[in-house]
Amino acid sequence: QSVLTQPPSASGTPGQRVTISCSGTSSNIGSNFVYWYQQLPGTAPKLLIYSNNQRPSGVPDRFSGSKSGTSASLAISGLRSEDEADYYCAAWDDSLSGWVFGGGTKLTVL
Amino acid sequence: EVQLVESGGGLVQPGGSLRLSCAASGFTFSSYSMNWVRQAPGKGLEWISYISRAGSNIFYADSVKGRFTISRDNAKNSLYLQMISLRDEDTAVYYCARETVTSHEIDSWGQGTLVTVSS
Repeated sequence: QSVLTQPPSASGTPGQRVTISCSGTSSNIGSNFVYWYQQLPGTAPKLLIYSNNQRPSGVPDRFSGSKSGTSASLAISGLRSEDEADYYCAAWDDSLSGWVFGGGTKLTVL
Repeated sequence: EVQLVESGGGLVQPGGSLRLSCAASGFTFSSYSMNWVRQAPGKGLEWISYISRAGSNIFYADSVKGRFTISRDNAKNSLYLQMISLRDEDTAVYYCARETVTSHEIDSWGQGTLVTVSS
């Protein structure tokens, strides 16, 4: 069981906006930044969002992140077929002294 | 271009040992903290170990504490993971991952190396 809680699946049609939630505790999301990763089938994870809501260069502005208290969300607008992937949230956990990940959300573009 | 290339994976029997390596290039290796993250077949990501730039701070997940040892050689631009007393549940793809010291994101990952623990 993962320390951070994500829905196992999400879906949307092309052009739609979807959000993926990530729930944690005061020792991780509540006191540290949240990061989001995209993992396409058979590939390594790719950084999508850092420091709650910052996009690395090259990541489209269709992807956005937010955080409130002990929860965070990833929003994807203008959904495209190539967005079909697994998405993971992550945060440093002060109690565990380590990184914790969500269980991952499989996004399907219908 | 940042490159992280893992090696050393393979098939090992339960109770056996293995040493993974990660060769870094395209950046100043000694300026970054490093992590090992694994992914069991069909499962999610699991962080297992962190090492600071000079190797002075090291952390492990409870699942590997006492069995795995992380180390680095900044002169060789290399990261290592020594694994002993391997269990079936250690079967996974092991990723070497770079962490920035500014905003602490894990911003680059290797392609992974598969470790299979089975008799």
